Amino acid sequence: AQSVSQHNHHVILSEAASLELGCNYSYGGTVNLFWYVQYPGQHLQLLLKYFSGDPLVKGIKGFEAEFIKSKFSFNLRKPSVQWSDTAEYFCAVNSNNAGNMLTFGGGTRLMVKP
Amino acid sequence: DTGVSQNPRHKITKRGQNVTFRCDPISEHNRLYWYRQTLGQGPEFLTYFQNEAQLEKSRLLSDRFSAERPKGSFSTLEIQRTEQGDSAMYLCASSRQLTDTQYFGPGTRLTVL
Repeated sequence: AQSVSQHNHHVILSEAASLELGCNYSYGGTVNLFWYVQYPGQHLQLLLKYFSGDPLVKGIKGFEAEFIKSKFSFNLRKPSVQWSDTAEYFCAVNSNNAGNMLTFGGGTRLMVKP
Repeated sequence: DTGVSQNPRHKITKRGQNVTFRCDPISEHNRLYWYRQTLGQGPEFLTYFQNEAQLEKSRLLSDRFSAERPKGSFSTLEIQRTEQGDSAMYLCASSRQLTDTQYFGPGTRLTVL
């Protein structure tokens, strides 16, 4: 069975600080990896995804994530956060063998102080 | 794309009542998914359809939960004899192909009194 762990439940940063959110998954086969974001009062939106190829993936709004297969990790990064990045961030994984169902981590709530 | 839509956005019901939620996927998306999200948790997969066929339903939480997609377009999720523990956000997502990105709707927030 797939599982996803997000180590930081709450993160508070000041504007311009760098961000790294951890995500580890457990699954022995080939996986696809995602980061979704949920801004206050809005629905889940895709931030970036990794299916194959270059393990460093760039997404919207200056976010990027690196897939490290040996560590079963897919950490999300942004060099300089803005107040508008305040949101909840979810890491998710699926595999073709599991019918494309997404398994989500518990989420990380990010607050950026202006 | 007009996005995934869900109705109603909020539902308050009394324990023991039946409720039904509707999801309209992005047009031409043949896969449709239902998830449940409780406070402080990530979404939890419930079931999914490819066209009108329900390909996975073992994750539905109990036999009080059922879903349909009769014509391969919109889908409904029904909860019979609701319990307070059913209070949650019910999310729908759709995608075009097996490995394609899932796009989420705004969800239906259910409160069972």
